[in-house]
Amino acid sequence: AQRVTQPEKLLSVFKGAPVELKCNYSYSGSPELFWYVQYSRQRLQLLLRHISRESIKGFTADLNKGETSFHLKKPFAQEEDSAMYYCAFWMDSSYKLIFGSGTRLLVRP
Amino acid sequence: KAGVTQTPRYLIKTRGQQVTLSCSPISGHRSVSWYQQTPGQGLQFLFEYFSETQRNKGNFPGRFSGRQFSNSRSEMNVSTLELGDSALYLCASSFHSDSYEQYFGPGTRLTVT
Repeated sequence: AQRVTQPEKLLSVFKGAPVELKCNYSYSGSPELFWYVQYSRQRLQLLLRHISRESIKGFTADLNKGETSFHLKKPFAQEEDSAMYYCAFWMDSSYKLIFGSGTRLLVRP
Repeated sequence: KAGVTQTPRYLIKTRGQQVTLSCSPISGHRSVSWYQQTPGQGLQFLFEYFSETQRNKGNFPGRFSGRQFSNSRSEMNVSTLELGDSALYLCASSFHSDSYEQYFGPGTRLTVT
């Protein structure tokens, strides 16, 4: 079955520390993978997608098809990065996003 | 452009009642999707509409239904509410028929007592 796994419910780091939010997927096809972020009291918004290979707010994510992973990384965490992060993939021809359970990132001063 | 709007933002209902939630997509967007967000189940897909046609439906009971109007606005309805229906209901819109770039609304917080 197609699914996205985010093994950590909570990740707590100190400001300036590196961050890696883990995401693994299970999908037989070629996935379109994304990271969405939800800051406190704000709406869910797209952070980045693997196809564009861009860096947003210092975050990057590389698709590793061998390990079926799409981990989100940032070399130096900032307090404003504290938020809920969701990994998701787009099921082509099904017109839906499948989300992981989310990881809460807490960046402490 | 104005973002996706959802009304009402908060709703309290009693078990057995029914509820209708509304979503206005970004101007020009023709695809509207609905998701249910709960602490236990996370974000789960409810249904997706494009040009007034439901193209996919998630694994929810028949009490959950929806529709899309010719102006792309969408409504979802939940009949015979249960306590477990308490959730944040999110609407998302996208421009293309196969676009995964979805823009989310703020959600409607439904509480069933």
